[in-house]
Amino acid sequence: GAGVSQSPSNKVTEKGKDVELRCDPISGHTALYWYRQRLGQGLEFLIYFQGNSAPDKSGLPSDRFSAERTGESVSTLTIQRTQQEDSAVYLCASSLGSSGEQYFGPGTRLTVT
Amino acid sequence: GEDVEQSLFLSVREGDSSVINCTYTDSSSTYLYWYKQEPGAGLQLLTYIFSNMDMKQDQRLTVLLNKKDKHLSLRIADTQTGDSAIYFCAVKGNQGGKLIFGQGTELSVKP
Repeated sequence: GAGVSQSPSNKVTEKGKDVELRCDPISGHTALYWYRQRLGQGLEFLIYFQGNSAPDKSGLPSDRFSAERTGESVSTLTIQRTQQEDSAVYLCASSLGSSGEQYFGPGTRLTVT
Repeated sequence: GEDVEQSLFLSVREGDSSVINCTYTDSSSTYLYWYKQEPGAGLQLLTYIFSNMDMKQDQRLTVLLNKKDKHLSLRIADTQTGDSAIYFCAVKGNQGGKLIFGQGTELSVKP
């Protein structure tokens, strides 16, 4: 079966531009998570969707970051007016419910020049 | 908030055992995980332990949990060069599904 997929795998953008990152979770997984990994560091939680509940946005670093999820399928993470400090690998994970193990996608490497 | 700490580097000889340690602060943590990240690759779930257990063994991997000291360890028996990677400890609290990750331990296996 297919795992979590993310696109694009790499994105280079100019400072000030908006970017959209996409995540396709494992089919049937109701929970979806976004994390950010800066170079040489661990993962920072950004946002979490569980079914039709209101998302947990407590990890979003600023109002330039937002995410949407349609039902139990694709999610899009949007970063507006990108800054150099947004450069990182953005990882998506999904799980079967909030107590299930999280399976990660390969990530999108974002470079802001 | 929750904090998870790991040592940054570990170097072992091929065939030896590796022990990677992790400490955490939230005593209400429910599940504790170990992930492996190889260069240029995503995170691979290795194993996990529920907070009411103190040990779990899975082939070459042994997870030990000391709840009193809030200490988690991952032992890899007969370490191979293919085990060279960064290992992340992650804990899940009782508030939703988000994971809190340590900084990762880079394991280097020398032949």
